[in-house]
This record gives sequence, structure tokens and C-alpha cells, in this order.
Amino acid sequence: ELKVEQNPLFLSMQEGKNYTIYCNYSTTSDRLYWYRQDPGKSLESLFVLLSNGAVKQEGRLMASLDTKARLSTLHITAAVHDLSATYFCAVDIAGQNFVFGPGTRLSVLP
Amino acid sequence: EPEVTQTPSHQVTQMGQEVILRCVPISNHLYFYWYRQILGQKVEFLVSFYNNEISEKSEIFDDQFSVERPDGSNFTLKIRSTKLEDSAMYFCAGRQGGGYGYTFGSGTRLTVV
Repeated sequence: ELKVEQNPLFLSMQEGKNYTIYCNYSTTSDRLYWYRQDPGKSLESLFVLLSNGAVKQEGRLMASLDTKARLSTLHITAAVHDLSATYFCAVDIAGQNFVFGPGTRLSVLP
Repeated sequence: EPEVTQTPSHQVTQMGQEVILRCVPISNHLYFYWYRQILGQKVEFLVSFYNNEISEKSEIFDDQFSVERPDGSNFTLKIRSTKLEDSAMYFCAGRQGGGYGYTFGSGTRLTVV
């Protein structure tokens, strides 16, 4: 059974700081997705990572995938309050479905 | 940008009642999914649907649940006899296939009382 872990689960950081969220998974997969969820809202797609070594950047967020280490990272650069949300990684199982990580609740403080 | 539309946005039902949650996928999507998220918890897979058949389902998706795509557009999730623990946000998702990501709907909040 595929297990997906994220750490940290809770992250409180000051504006302007950098930080990285980690996503580990237990079995082979070469597709990983990052989503953002605001309270009471749906899941907003951030990044689709489709191969080993994939790196994607959008604004202050950058995601990478290392399939050999079964690790993805979501790096936050110079955080701003608008980035406060819960971030989920999700691992694709042969296109059949996702397994989501537990989520990282990020609070960016002024 | 095309969206996955879910209705209703919020439904309150009494325990033991049947509910039908509706989803209108994006027109070029081929694969469809239902996920649920109990408040404050992780997102859990329920079922995937392709070519008018269930392709995979989780342990959560027991005999109380069913899915249909009756008219080639709407994609429905039916819960026959709701339980208190079915209270959750239910998300429909779809994708084209290949390297494309999944698009999630806005969700239906189901409250069983």
C-alpha cells in the first residue's frame, strides 16, 4: 500500500523567510502533484511533476521531484501572507488514482 | 478556463436518507474520480471511472455507494443510506489522460444529522 508522508504538518513562518516542505512516498511512481487548499475551498493545482529531476517554478513556489529517493520538495521563497494555506502532495498510482499526503498547514505571519 | 462543476455546494440530510451528488466534468476529460475529505483531515480516494465503468475503488466505497454517468455528461455519486460518518466534503475530479493533471471541482459539503 502506497504511503505518502509530508513534513512538517504545521508550519508557521515569518514573511520574507524561506522554507521547504517535504513529501516522501513509499513505492515507485514518476508522477507527483502539488495542490493548495484554502479553508473550506477546493483543491487548486499548483504543479504537475512527471519525471525524475523535474523542477517547476511559479512565483515564490518551486517544486522538484526525485523519483529515486521518492521525494518531492516544495520550496517557498520570501514568503508572503497570501501563501497561507494547506499544501498537499499527491502521488499518482499508474493513472488509476491519487494518494494524498496529510497536508502541510502553512501560516505566514507578518 | 474550463471548470468541473459540482452541485449542490452544501447538502444537509438525515441519517438513513439517500443523497445524490452531481458533477459536470470538463468536456474533454476521459477519467473521472470521487474523493472525500473529512473536515480537517486528508483527502481520500473513493472511486475512479473510465469508459462508463468503475476502474478502481477504495475500501471506503462499499455497497452503500454507487456512481453513474447516465447521460454522458453528468457524473453522480449516490449514497444509499447515509451515516453520520459520511459527513465530509466530496470532490469530483477529472483528467484527460497522459501527462495532464487532475482538475477538481469546487466540492459538495455533505452534513448528515
